[in-house]
Amino acid sequence: GAVVSQHPSWVICKSGTSVKIECRSLDFQATTMFWYRQFPKQSLMLMATSNEGSKATYEQGVEKDKFLINHASLTLSTLTVTSAHPEDSSFYICSARGGRRPDGYTFGSGTRLTVV
Amino acid sequence: EDQVTQSPEALRLQEGESSSLNCSYTVSGLRGLFWYRQDPGKGPEFLFTLYSAGEEKEKERLKATLTKKESFLHITAPKPEDSATYLCAVRSTTGNQFYFGTGTSLTVIP
Repeated sequence: GAVVSQHPSWVICKSGTSVKIECRSLDFQATTMFWYRQFPKQSLMLMATSNEGSKATYEQGVEKDKFLINHASLTLSTLTVTSAHPEDSSFYICSARGGRRPDGYTFGSGTRLTVV
Repeated sequence: EDQVTQSPEALRLQEGESSSLNCSYTVSGLRGLFWYRQDPGKGPEFLFTLYSAGEEKEKERLKATLTKKESFLHITAPKPEDSATYLCAVRSTTGNQFYFGTGTSLTVIP
């Protein structure tokens, strides 16, 4: 099997605060995890790729100081949105590479972030 | 530059009315083309992977086909529970990440 748990499923925070989102692979080891952002009625946009034990690779236009990614173990990657602003409100989805899946990747169920 | 374009953006069908969704892609080297279903507020749910032109995959009322430039997701006699956003994604031979299209929002009316 291949299950990815993403937590929390939704979060509301005040502008200026930081929010941490967790992505865990429950029954397999994920050497690589991906973080996506999805705005309403838009597609998933890759933000960054994280490899266990090394620094994340960010896509062009994504601020690495604002979106901190940590992949300290083979089963956990975290995305911290620092000093959140209303424009950071979005649906964040993680994906883990590995597990017995036909496509080789498993997506989390997403986190709805609302910054007020 | 790798690119994925889906059409139409939205599609409304009567229950039982068959149709097709299109995914056009440009990729330096195709490692795989993927179809996902996404329900509101959820992550993508895997449907199919296609690897080479001419390949077809079927699952219940869905059938995916692939050419060198596009893929079609055919929906035969859809039911209301097929209502969702269908996403197409490609992986190139030069990287591990997916490039997603913007999706087709399908609504099936009883």
